[in-house]
Amino acid sequence: KAGVTQTPRYLIKTRGQQVTLSCSPISGHRSVSWYQQTPGQGLQFLFEYFSETQRNKGNFPGRFSGRQFSNSRSEMNVSTLELGDSALYLCASSLGRASYNEQFFGPGTRLTVL
Amino acid sequence: GQNIDQPTEMTATEGAIVQINCTYQTSGFNGLFWYQQHAGEAPTFLSYNVLDGLEEKGRFSSFLSRSKGYSYLLLKELQMKDSASYLCAVRDSPASGGSYIPTFGRGTSLIVHP
Repeated sequence: KAGVTQTPRYLIKTRGQQVTLSCSPISGHRSVSWYQQTPGQGLQFLFEYFSETQRNKGNFPGRFSGRQFSNSRSEMNVSTLELGDSALYLCASSLGRASYNEQFFGPGTRLTVL
Repeated sequence: GQNIDQPTEMTATEGAIVQINCTYQTSGFNGLFWYQQHAGEAPTFLSYNVLDGLEEKGRFSSFLSRSKGYSYLLLKELQMKDSASYLCAVRDSPASGGSYIPTFGRGTSLIVHP
């Protein structure tokens, strides 16, 4: 069974631009969660989607948004990029709600904002 | 809210045993996870504890004491490939005002040398 895939793997943007990251969960998994990982803050939860609905949201500004499609694939969008948004963005999928199930992480998208 | 503490870095010798501690303070508790993350890769699930005691899985064991807000990950017969970051994550409980989504510690970087 294929694992969680994320595209692109690497991305370079400039301040003020926007970016869209994509995540395809493991086949059959319906929950997708997004995390931001930086050396200073560690792994921080962004949001969770289940059945195309946002179920939980972390403490991030409104510039960070996401959505989930009927096939469980998810995208997250960051608008008006700031230097501090440079990070590894990880997607994790689980069979049911992330609350109750083990999460499987994708390889991440490394975003660099110049 | 939650506060999770783990040492920033540890070193050990190949073949030895190492214990990585994690202490947490949460208003509620609904499980503790350990993940392993090699540099540049996604976190991978190691263990899950929700009841007090020791869970053993091959060379890795995880212990939990809910009354003390304390867990440790024990790695035996260390191998060079065990050099990685080890993340402790605690799941809070909505009943106490928290969320089921895990909160991660900043990780312990383990360096195994010959």
